[in-house]
Amino acid sequence: EDQVTQSPEALRLQEGESSSLNCSYTVSGLRGLFWYRQDPGKGPEFLFTLYSAGEEKEKERLKATLTKKESFLHITAPKPEDSATYLCAVQGTSGTYKYIFGTGTRLKVLA
Amino acid sequence: DTAVSQTPKYLVTQMGNDKSIKCEQNLGHDTMYWYKQDSKKFLKIMFSYNNKELIINETVPNRFSPKSPDKAHLNLHINSLELGDSAVYFCASSQGPGTGDGEQYFGPGTRLTVT
Repeated sequence: EDQVTQSPEALRLQEGESSSLNCSYTVSGLRGLFWYRQDPGKGPEFLFTLYSAGEEKEKERLKATLTKKESFLHITAPKPEDSATYLCAVQGTSGTYKYIFGTGTRLKVLA
Repeated sequence: DTAVSQTPKYLVTQMGNDKSIKCEQNLGHDTMYWYKQDSKKFLKIMFSYNNKELIINETVPNRFSPKSPDKAHLNLHINSLELGDSAVYFCASSQGPGTGDGEQYFGPGTRLTVT
């Protein structure tokens, strides 16, 4: 069964303190791995799609990478406005192409 | 312009009542989804429609009935509401199942509270 596990569950960083969030997955054929950001009281906001191992994507202070078993979201020199819950999801190639979400990492960046 | 909109934003109702949530997307996407997010923030898919056809129907009580009048709209009707139905319900859309660029765009959510 397709599965996504995110770690850590919560992370507190000082402003400027770089770190990484992990998304481990098992899927029968990866169609895509997706990263989203969710602010309190809002819907998830799309950040990145990764399709194959070795792929990397960047946006401002965020960089997503992908291996055959996991993805990392690297946050470089974070700012307080980066505080949010970061969700990872995978879409497999079998069946109905449904998306499986992880439980997210709650990131708090302190000024 | 709001890409994916939902109404209402908040819904407070009593057990046993019937309620509906509406969703509209103006992105021209073919596929729409309903998700339930529980108190632990876990997003679980409930239903998905592709061009008005039901393609994903997860293990959801049959008190929940989706309806897609056209590919830009997906509504969720819930009969005989129970306390355990309290959650945030998100609508989302994407270009289509099995296509590239499968990122989803989410609505703002509807917080349902059953008392």
